[in-house]
Amino acid sequence: GAVVSQHPSWVICKSGTSVKIECRSLDFQATTMFWYRQFPKQSLMLMATSNEGSKATYEQGVEKDKFLINHASLTLSTLTVTSAHPEDSSFYICSARGTGYNSPLHFGNGTRLTVT
Amino acid sequence: AQSVSQHNHHVILSEAASLELGCNYSYGGTVNLFWYVQYPGQHLQLLLKYFSGDPLVKGIKGFEAEFIKSKFSFNLRKPSVQWSDTAEYFCAVSPERYGNNRLAFGKGNQVVVIP
Repeated sequence: GAVVSQHPSWVICKSGTSVKIECRSLDFQATTMFWYRQFPKQSLMLMATSNEGSKATYEQGVEKDKFLINHASLTLSTLTVTSAHPEDSSFYICSARGTGYNSPLHFGNGTRLTVT
Repeated sequence: AQSVSQHNHHVILSEAASLELGCNYSYGGTVNLFWYVQYPGQHLQLLLKYFSGDPLVKGIKGFEAEFIKSKFSFNLRKPSVQWSDTAEYFCAVSPERYGNNRLAFGKGNQVVVIP
């Protein structure tokens, strides 16, 4: 089946540094990718939707200058958390969808970000 | 914006017991409904979905869910669970016009099945 690889699975960084998270579709072309964030004991919250070759669409309340999303190819999207702070510590998950508006979503395993 | 409520975050039951997980949503329009499952150490996987038609939806691994529009509910059921059903279950909702995009998830139900 379709596989989405997310890397790294966990990362610890110092406050003020930037962290890049990669989301790759390994065996299909992902025209659309989604980024979610999950705080402890909370639900997954959609952060942004990215279409290959276009600017990402951010959900209300998500700072686009802080969470930079790039979807430059049909198999790779990246989320960069810029100038990370402890409150950015969270679990970040990506999902990818192939062509077709309602084609199934395939999720990565997530990235645990801890900012010290 | 839509929101999803899942109750009884932790559920512990024995093999062969019946399972029912509640899901209620809040949204002022037509929605598409989903249940996802996450087995230990694995990624989220689609269990079943409802877009339209028969409100009783059958999914993989013997799971089913019933959409009751008047109650804004989409409860998940399985008549007889197995140890391998130990997982976290998430209900999700998306406005109909967005298909399976713009998903709003509930907080999840952690289900532990004791052999």
